[in-house]
Amino acid sequence: DTGVSQDPRHKITKRGQNVTFRCDPISEHNRLYWYRQTLGQGPEFLTYFQNEAQLEKSRLLSDRFSAERPKGSFSTLEIQRTEQGDSAMYLCASSLVYGTPHSGANVLTFGAGSRLTVL
Amino acid sequence: GQNIDQPTEMTATEGAIVQINCTYQTSGFNGLFWYQQHAGEAPTFLSYNVLDGLEEKGRFSSFLSRSKGYSYLLLKELQMKDSASYLCAVRDRNAGNMLTFGGGTRLMVKP
Repeated sequence: DTGVSQDPRHKITKRGQNVTFRCDPISEHNRLYWYRQTLGQGPEFLTYFQNEAQLEKSRLLSDRFSAERPKGSFSTLEIQRTEQGDSAMYLCASSLVYGTPHSGANVLTFGAGSRLTVL
Repeated sequence: GQNIDQPTEMTATEGAIVQINCTYQTSGFNGLFWYQQHAGEAPTFLSYNVLDGLEEKGRFSSFLSRSKGYSYLLLKELQMKDSASYLCAVRDRNAGNMLTFGGGTRLMVKP
């Protein structure tokens, strides 16, 4: 397993365009998370899935944002009508739910992120 | 909601010891995590505390006091490669066991 993969690594777009990011989690992990991180700040939670079910969404996630995990494996995060304030690093993470962190459960493994720049 | 505070920046000397503090307020504390993040890279897991006391892992140790809402990460024998941001994150059972991160402490190790 190569860890959590995200694609693309960098995306530059014009304001008003739609963008989509993809995340491939660690195969045996059943939870998948999306976070957003701006320069000098910690990651902010956006949403998470357990298998294919989206269980929680942050108030940060406006109606222009939508995330899917159709088969409980990879996930996509789409941002419609991008705004300059959407410029950030979008981080995906995955984890096992069952067990304790000392055994690796509930420890988030992050991907390298997708950096979005909206001009 | 949760409030997680940690210093924005710290500087230390190679070979020295540095302590990075984190204070938090949460209604349903269910564990505290420390992550390391090098510039432009993904955060990587360092340590986990759920009970009071010290967890040691090589050069890194993490301490927790639940009654004080306080944790620290202790880095010994600092190396230049330890220059990174250190993120404190708290899991809250009243928030779906979500992990909420502090703003991070950027540590600069100087020769």
